[in-house]
Amino acid sequence: GAVVSQHPSRVICKSGTSVKIECRSLDFQATTMFWYRQFPKQSLMLMATSNEGSKATYEQGVEKDKFLINHASLTLSTLTVTSAHPEDSSFYICSASRQKSYEQYFGPGTRLTVT
Amino acid sequence: GIQVEQSPPDLILQEGANSTLRCNFSDSVNNLQWFHQNPWGQLINLFYIPSGTKQNGRLSATTVATERYSLLYISSSQTTDSGVYFCAVGQGGKLIFGQGTELSVKP
Repeated sequence: GAVVSQHPSRVICKSGTSVKIECRSLDFQATTMFWYRQFPKQSLMLMATSNEGSKATYEQGVEKDKFLINHASLTLSTLTVTSAHPEDSSFYICSASRQKSYEQYFGPGTRLTVT
Repeated sequence: GIQVEQSPPDLILQEGANSTLRCNFSDSVNNLQWFHQNPWGQLINLFYIPSGTKQNGRLSATTVATERYSLLYISSSQTTDSGVYFCAVGQGGKLIFGQGTELSVKP
């Protein structure tokens, strides 16, 4: 158990458009989901934490109006990159944890390229 | 905030060799996980080990929480073990990642 999926796996969009990425926990209920960003040859950086039914908590330096996060159910969280620019090109990875557990399970990631 | 340091940053091994990867952290934690990131970017959970010792096949891990370090042992390495190994530590649910150890296993 503990499978997390992401969709799409890869997306190319034009500068100025918005892109939505979905993160689903397939076989468990995820009370908390996390969104990370990873630039080439670098480590993962936490962007935000979301709990089902409440507003996301963003890390310092992450623009909440640019990276919209919705956690509408216990199995789905979405990240929308609004008005994307080339510098937003990156690998976006979500993770999820069960209730009363700190262990996180990661999705396969979404590679975003903004042209 | 909590600091996480991994060593070595890079490691090249011959197939069949053993290795030890280290993760030091600067504060008490309630979560510590080891991951292997494959060439396609997927993070594979290796261990959830905030304290103690665990083994899974050729891999084992030990965390000494009182001394704020964790070790990942890889025995009889295979070419498929190549990739980046991350240690991540957590306080209150959030995970902070180290910079990773890039392992290359040569045939």
